[in-house]
Amino acid sequence: GAGVSQSPRYKVAKRGQDVALRCDPISGHVSLFWYQQALGQGPEFLTYFQNEAQLDKSGLPSDRFFAERPEGSVSTLKIQRTQQEDSAVYLCASSATSGSSILTGELFFGEGSRLTVL
Amino acid sequence: AQSVTQLDSHVSVSEGTPVLLRCNYSSSYSPSLFWYVQHPNKGLQLLLKYTSAATLVKGINGFEAEFKKSETSFHLTKPSAHMSDAAEYFCVVSERTGRRALTFGSGTRLQVQP
Repeated sequence: GAGVSQSPRYKVAKRGQDVALRCDPISGHVSLFWYQQALGQGPEFLTYFQNEAQLDKSGLPSDRFFAERPEGSVSTLKIQRTQQEDSAVYLCASSATSGSSILTGELFFGEGSRLTVL
Repeated sequence: AQSVTQLDSHVSVSEGTPVLLRCNYSSSYSPSLFWYVQHPNKGLQLLLKYTSAATLVKGINGFEAEFKKSETSFHLTKPSAHMSDAAEYFCVVSERTGRRALTFGSGTRLQVQP
């Protein structure tokens, strides 16, 4: 597609529910990132994929958070047993670069999925 | 470890006047530095980046930034603000070695008054 597409754009969940957020990166982009942006804050790194391999998941805040990219394109971020502190905008970004070049290459961001946990 | 401090959470300027958004960084290694802009209900967009070439970096829409190692700063400037510049701006650092993650500052909201 023309850009990074995320769905749903808005999600309201009751505490304890599971949610799944989808990211469709730019076609052919090798690298994919998930970030969490709390209200009034900058995005914080969650996890990184190079193709289907999850190379870094050090930013995932708890074992309730799980991400996958099984075929190296679309990615899903799943949050189990949601808590109020999970309320945030979840941003997906993709890049054509990989390896060490990922540190200097441009990331293309989606518009985000806003999760509200009641 | 790397970190970024954006010194102002809000900046307000009049249309046609200069813009200065301040950013200081901390990095254990030689960093790459970026400025991203976020318009309401839009995705983050790269304005410019520094990756060890020229210390004065020019970006899109007339923005530029200067990497000053001695001051550990990477301030964003524009000679003349336009109404369309109103947005949230993020200073971002990544280390050349280490984890593949960008570290974002907390953001500066730029308001442009007519």
